[in-house]
Amino acid sequence: GDSVTQMEGPVTLSEEAFLTINCTYTATGYPSLFWYVQYPGEGLQLLLKATKADDKGSNKGFEATYRKETTSFHLEKGSVQVSDSAVYFCALSARGGSEKLVFGKGTKLTVNP
Amino acid sequence: GAVVSQHPSRVICKSGTSVKIECRSLDFQATTMFWYRQFPKQSLMLMATSNEGSKATYEQGVEKDKFLINHASLTLSTLTVTSAHPEDSSFYICSASGARGGDTQYFGPGTRLTVL
Repeated sequence: GDSVTQMEGPVTLSEEAFLTINCTYTATGYPSLFWYVQYPGEGLQLLLKATKADDKGSNKGFEATYRKETTSFHLEKGSVQVSDSAVYFCALSARGGSEKLVFGKGTKLTVNP
Repeated sequence: GAVVSQHPSRVICKSGTSVKIECRSLDFQATTMFWYRQFPKQSLMLMATSNEGSKATYEQGVEKDKFLINHASLTLSTLTVTSAHPEDSSFYICSASGARGGDTQYFGPGTRLTVL
């Protein structure tokens, strides 16, 4: 079945450092890909998404590009802030975001001042 | 953005009792609601999908008689854990999608269930 593998955490960075969280997927067909973020004490929020190959999703300085050839959707940010500290989940959906989601295990990011 | 609430945020119960968790979409009509379960340091696992006015569709391995899901209105879905046991202790999260949300699921903050 469909699955998502993302890098193990936790990840600890200093403010203004570069962030990469790796995510690869296994799926039949052409899934939609998502990054969700969960801030402490809050529910998951959609951070960005891409629905077809070579699409780049971006939001709040975060970016991820849908790479079909490598089945990857790595999350990047050029300069992290303390407020980016959260758990990040990579996910896929076979038929779009309103359909069932398959999640990775999540990566906890801590950004220190 | 669209808001989804869950109640209670945390519940402790004795083994053998039943617990009901509510999921509400506060400012949009949710045609579809999803219930997920999250174990410590694990990903969210989809338990079931419910559409308003119809029976829920359960994922393989989820006991439908143990995890009763009702989606009686476009703003409310409930998950009832019947005859709870310690192994049911977990973090339960709902999400909702609807016409206003388009292609996006909106997640509730989750409910921490502890069964003693």
